[in-house]
Amino acid sequence: EAGVTQFPSHSVIEKGQTVTLRCDPISGHDNLYWYRRVMGKEIKFLLHFVKESKQDESGMPNNRFLAERTGGTYSTLKVQPAELEDSGVYFCASSQDFSGGSLAKNIQYFGAGTRLSVL
Amino acid sequence: KNQVEQSPQSLIILEGKNCTLQCNYTVSPFSNLRWYKQDTGRGPVSLTIMTFSENTKSNGRYTATLDADTKQSSLHITASQLSDSASYICVVRQTGANNLFFGTGTRLTVIP
Repeated sequence: EAGVTQFPSHSVIEKGQTVTLRCDPISGHDNLYWYRRVMGKEIKFLLHFVKESKQDESGMPNNRFLAERTGGTYSTLKVQPAELEDSGVYFCASSQDFSGGSLAKNIQYFGAGTRLSVL
Repeated sequence: KNQVEQSPQSLIILEGKNCTLQCNYTVSPFSNLRWYKQDTGRGPVSLTIMTFSENTKSNGRYTATLDADTKQSSLHITASQLSDSASYICVVRQTGANNLFFGTGTRLTVIP
């Protein structure tokens, strides 16, 4: 079974440019999450999709970030325009369930992340 | 403020030795606590997940403990192997919330 895949693995852009990150969750996982780790800090939640709907986007830092999950399969996270402080590693995760049921179905499986460097 | 703190920040041990990593949290209300292992250049991989009623849970050479009263957890690694070198991240989920709270991790290095 394929895991969560993210593309690209690394992106280097200039301040003011646009970057789009992609995440393909594990097949059949309705729940998809975006997280970010800024240098030296802990991983922080950005948002949570259930199928194509945004369940919670309370962690999105500002309106320069736009996440979509059309069709409830893969998701994209666009940063426009990128700023220096957006540099970090962006992780995507997916899970079968979010709450209720067995704990095993609530486990979030992470992708390898996209390292974004804004110069 | 909901926080997860881990100690030590980094640890170096000899192959074959045991070690214990600590996690203290203030996340409330508490739903469950997870330990993840993150190899360099990879995403975090779940090791254990524990609810309020569980005191200990093992996964091979990894044993996690949870004291929900003191809001502390530990991850004990037995007979360490070189492949155990990684960052170990403590993650706490809040009841009724969508997000997880992550610690900054403990960087473990096992040397021969």
